[in-house]
Amino acid sequence: QLRLQESGPGLVKPSETLSLTCTVSGASITSSGFYWGWIRQSPGKGLKWIGHISYSGNTYYTPSLKSRVTISVDTSKSRFSLRLTSVTAADTAIYYCVRRARDPFDYWGQGALVTVSS
Amino acid sequence: DIQMTQSPSPLSASVGDRVTITCRASQSISTYLNWYQLKPGKAPKLLISASSSLQSGVPSRFSGSGSGTDFTLTISSLQPEDFATYYCQQSYLSPITFGQGTRLDIK
Repeated sequence: QLRLQESGPGLVKPSETLSLTCTVSGASITSSGFYWGWIRQSPGKGLKWIGHISYSGNTYYTPSLKSRVTISVDTSKSRFSLRLTSVTAADTAIYYCVRRARDPFDYWGQGALVTVSS
Repeated sequence: DIQMTQSPSPLSASVGDRVTITCRASQSISTYLNWYQLKPGKAPKLLISASSSLQSGVPSRFSGSGSGTDFTLTISSLQPEDFATYYCQQSYLSPITFGQGTRLDIK
């Protein structure tokens, strides 16, 4: 059974960089046809797609965050990562790592709450 | 961006009720519409893909339909474990967008 687990700091200061890692277990991160990505849910708001990456490194980002986001993959460690620079309070959210299977997001992590505050 | 609008929100219902959640897209998205269930502290769950394809392991009381701009998620007989928040999502055009969510509460 595929499992995704987010890890990283729960508190980030304004203007700094948010970094999260998602560890994949139970399936190969190099399987073709799958993408690995991030979705967030801000307090009291809905879900927002951030972006995703193929195991070969092709990336796709939402335009509103594209200038601040980097998603990378480390196939040797079966994990992928999110970096979001110059964070503000508006970036406070639960961050979910996900697998995208051709179209839908078929597996999700439990989510990691990241608070931006000084 | 394609806007996804869900209704109603919130929705109050009782165990055993039949409920329908509607999702409307701001432009035609064919059947590129997926539904998810979110519960606090748990990994979100994909219920239905491509408008009407029930995912393996999802109870048959869940069903989806629609194409173009109008879609529905129906739960035929609510069970206690179904009280959650439901989101629709389109993948017809980038950026991928979600509805604002429908919270399903116990009446």
